Amino acid sequence: DIQMTQSPSTLSASVGDRVTITCRASQSISSWLAWYQQKPGKAPKLLIYKASSLESGVPSRFSGSGSGTEFTLTISSLQPDDFATYYCQHQTFGQGTKVEIK
Amino acid sequence: QITLKESGPTLVKPTQTLTLTCTFSGFSLSTSGVGVGWIRQPPGKALDWLALIYWNDDKRYSPSLKSRLTITKDTSKNQVVLTMTNMDPVDTATYYCGHLLYSSGWYFVLHWGQGTLVTVSS
Repeated sequence: DIQMTQSPSTLSASVGDRVTITCRASQSISSWLAWYQQKPGKAPKLLIYKASSLESGVPSRFSGSGSGTEFTLTISSLQPDDFATYYCQHQTFGQGTKVEIK
Repeated sequence: QITLKESGPTLVKPTQTLTLTCTFSGFSLSTSGVGVGWIRQPPGKALDWLALIYWNDDKRYSPSLKSRLTITKDTSKNQVVLTMTNMDPVDTATYYCGHLLYSSGWYFVLHWGQGTLVTVSS
């Protein structure tokens, strides 16, 4: 099984900050990676697929990059609605990164 | 509009078998490249992929749970059923079903159901 490791586990940031979350795969997965956002009590929501393709309706402040074993999710200017937990997924999911208010 | 909804018991006893049904609309599980998967999330913990079934009836299971899981589909009813045997309190979680898109051996979850909380307790 390919393991997915996210960092950091928790991130404290302020509105307007640029935020970057990293996801590493235990072996190369080309660009086969998705990112999801989950808010408390809600189902996850797809943000990015195939490492860098923005899902329809997702704000353009979200972007994804990377290939092989290292990937990043970037929020260019953090908004109040963005405080949530983010997961990467190849087949298994990463352990999540909680973005909280600083 | 694509929707999915999970249904099944909210409480099961240890050693019992859990049967969950995902009823969906807005897509067909006979369309090439489409699948339905089950993912669970224990309280306060991360997402954990369980099983998936594709349009061609190809099935994949989490290696650690494979011996306990069975996934089937009924294309005419737009339903996918997951059974998990020998339930334990550690299986307490919210169980989600999802609409998957498949590409070159990989999938991602395009749409999610609302989830159903299953508690395992005597």
